[in-house]
Amino acid sequence: GAVVSQHPSWVICKSGTSVKIECRSLDFQATTMFWYRQFPKQSLMLMATSNEGSKATYEQGVEKDKFLINHASLTLSTLTVTSAHPEDSSFYICSARATGIAKNIQYFGAGTRLSVL
Amino acid sequence: AQKITQTQPGMFVQEKEAVTLDCTYDTSDPSYGLFWYKQPSSGEMIFLIYQGSYDQQNATEGRYSLNFQKARKSANLVISASQLGDSAMYFCAMREGNKGNTGKLIFGQGTTLQVKP
Repeated sequence: GAVVSQHPSWVICKSGTSVKIECRSLDFQATTMFWYRQFPKQSLMLMATSNEGSKATYEQGVEKDKFLINHASLTLSTLTVTSAHPEDSSFYICSARATGIAKNIQYFGAGTRLSVL
Repeated sequence: AQKITQTQPGMFVQEKEAVTLDCTYDTSDPSYGLFWYKQPSSGEMIFLIYQGSYDQQNATEGRYSLNFQKARKSANLVISASQLGDSAMYFCAMREGNKGNTGKLIFGQGTTLQVKP
């Protein structure tokens, strides 16, 4: 299957700092990427849909100023958690939809575990 | 209302036996896609199998098969000859309609499968 790389896999930061997470599609172009948040033992919660060259579409209840998304190229989307606080600690996972590949499967990165102290 | 329902929070299966993970969905859209993903403890989401609403035959991928019953709106995952490495959380997901590049996945609550030696 197609490969999506997510970096970093684990980050610990102090409260009030910002953290940037990168999501790259390695062997295909992705005009659309998705950012999810997951709490332990729970399902994935879609945060936003990231479209290359345009503003991201945020789901209801997700603060766009808190979670900045940039999709500058067909292979890279970034999520920046601004002024992180302990309640932002979570598992964040991105996915990219492989258009042009049969069935338009969404492939996922390995996720980023964020711990805010 | 839940669009994707997985009623089994946790399941056990003996190694080498088959297991069925349940998934029911709700949509009025005639065009949709159904997906199953596996999430091991490492956190990555691994695509397993896809079924399109217009597909005449049940999808199969190696040891995975999807028991698609359209009238019942169910899309159960069958894993044959379970292996210890199959122990993970499994998510059923749906994408509605011909949403182009922005069609988002709706996930079920997940089922934790444990394979016993």
